[in-house]
Amino acid sequence: NAGVMQNPRHLVRRRGQEARLRCSPMKGHSHVYWYRQLPEEGLKFMVYLQKENIIDESGMPKERFSAEFPKEGPSILRIQQVVRGDSAAYFCASSPRGIYEEKLFFGSGTQLSVL
Amino acid sequence: AQTVTQSQPEMSVQEAETVTLSCTYDTSESDYYLFWYKQPPSRQMILVIRQEAYKQQNATENRFSVNFQKAAKSFSLKISDSQLGDAAMYFCAYRSGGNTPLVFGKGTRLSVIA
Repeated sequence: NAGVMQNPRHLVRRRGQEARLRCSPMKGHSHVYWYRQLPEEGLKFMVYLQKENIIDESGMPKERFSAEFPKEGPSILRIQQVVRGDSAAYFCASSPRGIYEEKLFFGSGTQLSVL
Repeated sequence: AQTVTQSQPEMSVQEAETVTLSCTYDTSESDYYLFWYKQPPSRQMILVIRQEAYKQQNATENRFSVNFQKAAKSFSLKISDSQLGDAAMYFCAYRSGGNTPLVFGKGTRLSVIA
């Protein structure tokens, strides 16, 4: 059973370009969480999705950021018109039922660098 | 809003010795879970140990144990017989009921000295 798969592992973009980060949850998991980690900081919650639904996007910046988790395929975190401040490690985690007792399984993250 | 505070940005320990990492949290909930995650240089987030708030008994996983003080809202991690492979960032995290996200502290960087 493969773990949470994130790709790419490293992504370099120039200011103004778009960044698309992908996350395939563990098999059988229908709940996905995205977190952002700035250097020397903890992980900050961004968005929580269930298949085809956004459950909680309270941590998402209001502009340029969007996320989806379609019925088929991976979850996508999309950042439009990237700026240098978007440079960070972006982590995806998944769980089977989304209840708070559950352990979250994390991917290895995507390191986004904006030049 | 719930917050998690780790007051030690960096700690070091001699190999084979014991070290304790501190964590406090703020919540008005009575039912919740607490976690310690390890992040080695590979960046992978690894769950070390988990504690249910309704359980008085402290969780233990091999060399890792916690000291959970619910009234004080304290959740420290003790690593016994420290090994070189324990060197990593350690994050304390909290999650309450409902569809709430996992809230992380800022982390403690642990160095293990041979």
